[in-house]
Amino acid sequence: EAGVVQSPRYKIIEKKQPVAFWCNPISGHNTLYWYLQNLGQGPELLIRYENEEAVDDSQLPKDRFSAERLKGVDSTLKIQPAELGDSAVYLCASSLGTAPYEQYFGPGTRLTVT
Amino acid sequence: GEDVEQSLFLSVREGDSSVINCTYTDSSSTYLYWYKQEPGAGLQLLTYIFSNMDMKQDQRLTVLLNKKDKHLSLRIADTQTGDSAIYFCAENAGNNRKLIWGLGTSLAVNP
Repeated sequence: EAGVVQSPRYKIIEKKQPVAFWCNPISGHNTLYWYLQNLGQGPELLIRYENEEAVDDSQLPKDRFSAERLKGVDSTLKIQPAELGDSAVYLCASSLGTAPYEQYFGPGTRLTVT
Repeated sequence: GEDVEQSLFLSVREGDSSVINCTYTDSSSTYLYWYKQEPGAGLQLLTYIFSNMDMKQDQRLTVLLNKKDKHLSLRIADTQTGDSAIYFCAENAGNNRKLIWGLGTSLAVNP
């Protein structure tokens, strides 16, 4: 069974440019998460989807970040415009949404903003 | 508020046992998890424990849960160099969806 797929793996952009990350969850997983991870830190939740509905986006900086999961399967996270402080690893995870609610992570996208 | 704390570093010799500790604050947590992250990789779920259990064993891994003290530990038996990684403890925040994460414990295994 394929795991969570993310692309690209690495992205280097100049500040003020837009960037997008893509995630394809494990087949059958209706819950999808986007996290941000800074060096030496644990993951920080940005947004959680149940199917195509964003049920928790309280930590998403909505002035520059947006996300969508139009058909309840794959998802895109966008930053526009990017700032230097957005340099981090962006992780996507998925789960079945039933106990024990374990989340499975993709390899992440390492973003560097110069 | 909700918080998960872990010691930041642990160094062991190859073949010894490693014990990584974690404390949490949310008494309503129903599941607690251990994840492993190798350099440049995503997080790999190692194991989880339900809050009504006090121990779970899975091959070389043993999880102990002291719910009264809100203390969780992960014991790795016969630690190998391939176990070198960062280990994260996480608890669900009562609503069974959002995980609260520790900062991770960096395990170094010396030959």
